[in-house]
Amino acid sequence: DAGITQSPRHKVTETGTPVTLRCHQTENHRYMYWYRQDPGHGLRLIHYSYGVKDTDKGEVSDGYSVSRSKTEDFLLTLESATSSQTSVYFCAIEDSGAGGREQFFGPGTRLTVL
Amino acid sequence: GNSVTQMEGPVTLSEEAFLTINCTYTATGYPSLFWYVQYPGEGLQLLLKATKADDKGSNKGFEATYRKETTSFHLEKGSVQVSDSAVYFCALSGWGGSEKLVFGKGTKLTVNP
Repeated sequence: DAGITQSPRHKVTETGTPVTLRCHQTENHRYMYWYRQDPGHGLRLIHYSYGVKDTDKGEVSDGYSVSRSKTEDFLLTLESATSSQTSVYFCAIEDSGAGGREQFFGPGTRLTVL
Repeated sequence: GNSVTQMEGPVTLSEEAFLTINCTYTATGYPSLFWYVQYPGEGLQLLLKATKADDKGSNKGFEATYRKETTSFHLEKGSVQVSDSAVYFCALSGWGGSEKLVFGKGTKLTVNP
């Protein structure tokens, strides 16, 4: 168990409203990632972080921003949600331990934008 | 850039059947290769991995061999169970310091009793 939680687990919102998703880890991992999962696309990287206040864009970053003010928390914000952002969002951490650099995923947040 | 192509599903098998899910990749250098599994309503779990050519990853009866000559990492299991019903994702992470994962689109497996 990599100690990753995501909140909320489900959210329904309206177009144009801001939304923030939270990822929390308990094991002090340096790297954290946000992905979205959509049918026919697999998982696509939105943003990632390699330390406190150090973030970078992934392949589908438009319309999303992130922040990491503490090691344990990585926030994903949709400044003005659109229906195309309806998706399941997964957070992941990277474990650089004895097993190599592996990613472990949270349980996901299902977001519906009406 | 790096990419992964895996066979499209869905795949439906009877219990105890042999499973193969094909995965091929495009990458420069020597990527690491992974299979992840996603059970209904859950996040992805690492199933197995291989980090260099000819390595065989194995876990829970599943196996995959890193074939650089064919740029493939096919997932196999000799006798599937109903509990193996899930979506399987092939993924790679880049060589040369870039560890961001690139995923295939996933293959849904349903195993009937």
